[in-house]
Amino acid sequence: AQRVTQPEKLLSVFKGAPVELKCNYSYSGSPELFWYVQYSRQRLQLLLRHISRESIKGFTADLNKGETSFHLKKPFAQEEDSAMYYCAPPLSGGSYIPTFGRGTSLIVHP
Amino acid sequence: EAQVTQNPRYLITVTGKKLTVTCSQNMNHEYMSWYRQDPGLGLRQIYYSMNVEVTDKGDVPEGYKVSRKEKRNFPLILESPSPNQTSLYFCASSVTQGTGELFFGEGSRLTVL
Repeated sequence: AQRVTQPEKLLSVFKGAPVELKCNYSYSGSPELFWYVQYSRQRLQLLLRHISRESIKGFTADLNKGETSFHLKKPFAQEEDSAMYYCAPPLSGGSYIPTFGRGTSLIVHP
Repeated sequence: EAQVTQNPRYLITVTGKKLTVTCSQNMNHEYMSWYRQDPGLGLRQIYYSMNVEVTDKGDVPEGYKVSRKEKRNFPLILESPSPNQTSLYFCASSVTQGTGELFFGEGSRLTVL
């Protein structure tokens, strides 16, 4: 099964500080990974996916095959970035049980 | 509008009183899934369905049932709810051949007294 690990339950930073939310994966084959975000009292929604290599709301994530990581980064955190962030493998690719990381709660203080 | 709809959004019930949380999607997705979200534990999968009449257990299926009689609907059934099933539940759907992105419902907050 495709599995990911998010080592940090909570990340607390001040506005304007850089942010890095960690995600490590542990499966073979070509990894395709996603970051989902859940703002307070809202549904989970896709933030960005590895395959598109896009930047959403200032966030980027680079796949590092050597370190088997897909860390989410933003150079200058904003208060509205406060949310729960989940790293997840995709649905396809031989496994239909995408096992989410346990999530990292990001709190950005003013 | 493409969406996943769950009902009810909020429910307070008592131990042992059967309840059903409905989930419906209008995107013709084959795959549907139920998750529960608990503080410190993240998202854990309860059951999933690859297509009509095909369901399988996720990581935490105990105390839950599901059915998939139609492609668009995937209800979650708690035959005899217990307090440890107090949680926030999310339904999600996706195509099985595609980007692999999951589309989530807004969540159903269930409290079992």
